[in-house]
Amino acid sequence: EPEVTQTPSHQVTQMGQEVILRCVPISNHLYFYWYRQILGQKVEFLVSFYNNEISEKSEIFDDQFSVERPDGSNFTLKIRSTKLEDSAMYFCASGSTVSSTDTQYFGPGTRLTVL
Amino acid sequence: SQKIEQNSEALNIQEGKTATLTCNYTNYSPAYLQWYRQDPGRGPVFLLLIRENEKEKRKERLKVTFDTTLKQSLFHITASQPADSATYLCALRNTGNQFYFGTGTSLTVIP
Repeated sequence: EPEVTQTPSHQVTQMGQEVILRCVPISNHLYFYWYRQILGQKVEFLVSFYNNEISEKSEIFDDQFSVERPDGSNFTLKIRSTKLEDSAMYFCASGSTVSSTDTQYFGPGTRLTVL
Repeated sequence: SQKIEQNSEALNIQEGKTATLTCNYTNYSPAYLQWYRQDPGRGPVFLLLIRENEKEKRKERLKVTFDTTLKQSLFHITASQPADSATYLCALRNTGNQFYFGTGTSLTVIP
């Protein structure tokens, strides 16, 4: 069964450094998402991406964040200058449509630790 | 302000009983509502979706109801098993393509 994959599984970085989190969505999917989950808290929407552009973003997704689909298979989340409060689990998800007949498939997540 | 609240953080039930989880929302007008299962350290796994014009949806031992007047969804697991132990999340899609998740309810099914 196709699945969303994410790398790395765990990323440790120093405050102020840039990180890139990578995702490979399910191959025929058209909609891509990033979420984060701070330990013990709820899953929070960051951004949705369709047709090579951002379709929605939350207040969390400020200028420090960017997303890209550089080669038609990978979907990346870049955090330009990490802060301590960026430490969280980051989930990528993909979906084939936005209709009510379909849903999002989540990857296993990347645990980001900012020191 | 907008809120999605799920009932008590933790729910313990005896194996074989029906677990009922609650999701209440305020200041949203969801096109549909979803339920996910999340195991520790893993990503959410989709279980069921119910649209605003549907009252009830079933899938095997799972049942979801949706009351847009009460702004509430109920999620039932019948004949619960220890393997059903996990955190269950409700999520709704408001206008646009943003999804909002509740804080989750941790379910433990005791053998």
